[in-house]
Amino acid sequence: DVKVTQSSRYLVKRTGEKVFLECVQDMDHENMFWYRQDPGLGLRLIYFSYDVKMKEKGDIPEGYSVSREKKERFSLILESASTNQTSMYLCASSQGTPTNSGNTIYFGEGSWLTVV
Amino acid sequence: AQSVAQPEDQVNVAEGNPLTVKCTYSVSGNPYLFWYVQYPNRGLQFLLKYITGDNLVKGSYGFEAEFNKSQTSFHLKKPSALVSDSALYFCAVSANSGYSTLTFGKGTMLLVSP
Repeated sequence: DVKVTQSSRYLVKRTGEKVFLECVQDMDHENMFWYRQDPGLGLRLIYFSYDVKMKEKGDIPEGYSVSREKKERFSLILESASTNQTSMYLCASSQGTPTNSGNTIYFGEGSWLTVV
Repeated sequence: AQSVAQPEDQVNVAEGNPLTVKCTYSVSGNPYLFWYVQYPNRGLQFLLKYITGDNLVKGSYGFEAEFNKSQTSFHLKKPSALVSDSALYFCAVSANSGYSTLTFGKGTMLLVSP
């Protein structure tokens, strides 16, 4: 089975702190994603990466950055956390080349971030 | 731009009755369509997908979905609901040409009563 592991399930951070959310996948997938989930808004794509050191902006990249130094690891960084970034963050991965968008995306268990 | 509409925030059904969770989509060209389920405080689990071929797609836990191109719909169905099916369901779409990420709907909460 595909396993996407998010290292922190629940975090509480202060406004202005730098926050790192870590994600590791064990299936040698090329593509990795960070989504944000908010009630009534569904899932919104923050950033994705289709290769090591490559990154692409999603629909809501403002206030976030990402890092992919190794194929299995994709980190989401909040440079200066704000209260409006309180949310559930979901990491995901999928196999395939950038031109094949029909592959299934597999999700981690999510990280609940509260910024106070 | 591609989009997904799940017109019902919540669907209520009695155990043993058939259930339908609705989804319509908009995408340039032909779509790839997905259904995911989310249980409380968990990530999303893949249920089924339509890539090409038969319009009726069968997936996990007895769920199926029917692709209707003329109505741009991909409704999720199950002949007999279980209380354990109660969860949040997401429909998602991507275009089948070029590189297109998945766009998700806002989700539909399914509540199955005993």
